[in-house]
Amino acid sequence: GIQVEQSPPDLILQEGANSTLRCNFSDSVNNLQWFHQNPWGQLINLFYIPSGTKQNGRLSATTVATERYSLLYISSSQTTDSGVYFCAVGVAGSYQLTFGKGTKLSVIP
Amino acid sequence: GAVVSQHPSWVICKSGTSVKIECRSLDFQATTMFWYRQFPKQSLMLMATSNEGSKATYEQGVEKDKFLINHASLTLSTLTVTSAHPEDSSFYICSATPSQGSPYEQYFGPGTRLTVT
Repeated sequence: GIQVEQSPPDLILQEGANSTLRCNFSDSVNNLQWFHQNPWGQLINLFYIPSGTKQNGRLSATTVATERYSLLYISSSQTTDSGVYFCAVGVAGSYQLTFGKGTKLSVIP
Repeated sequence: GAVVSQHPSWVICKSGTSVKIECRSLDFQATTMFWYRQFPKQSLMLMATSNEGSKATYEQGVEKDKFLINHASLTLSTLTVTSAHPEDSSFYICSATPSQGSPYEQYFGPGTRLTVT
């Protein structure tokens, strides 16, 4: 099956700093989603972005499908951004998602 | 929009008993629902895919007789853990894809934490 690798596995930021999270995948995808899992376990949809670039407030994401990677940018980080960020992908012919192992982000005041 | 609920949020049960977890799409109809489990500090692993009115499709290694899934309507899917054992303790999360809009984008419930004693 498809492999999904996220980097870095852990990231500690000072409040106000910017960061880039990366997601590499091993095959062509027709679905890519970024999620934030908060400390209570809820997965929050950030972006549905199988290709192209999207922005939502301090967050933006870019997927370069031909090169099999996606980037999530967080600007002016806040303590509430802490949690685990997951990238999940789906391949043609399937509605299933395969998750990466996540990036654990800690934003300190 | 696209809100998914789960009930209960957490449950503690004795070894050998069965537990039912409900997953509901509150403001949309869901063609397909998915069940995942997540162990502490790990990623989500897909257990099964269910479509309304048909039998669920289980991932390799998931015991279909132990994890019974029923998708009786376009807004409700249930997961029953039968004869639960301590190794079934985990965080169970469901997701749903709206029948309108992108058929690929999944929306997740808040999860159910199961502890088997």
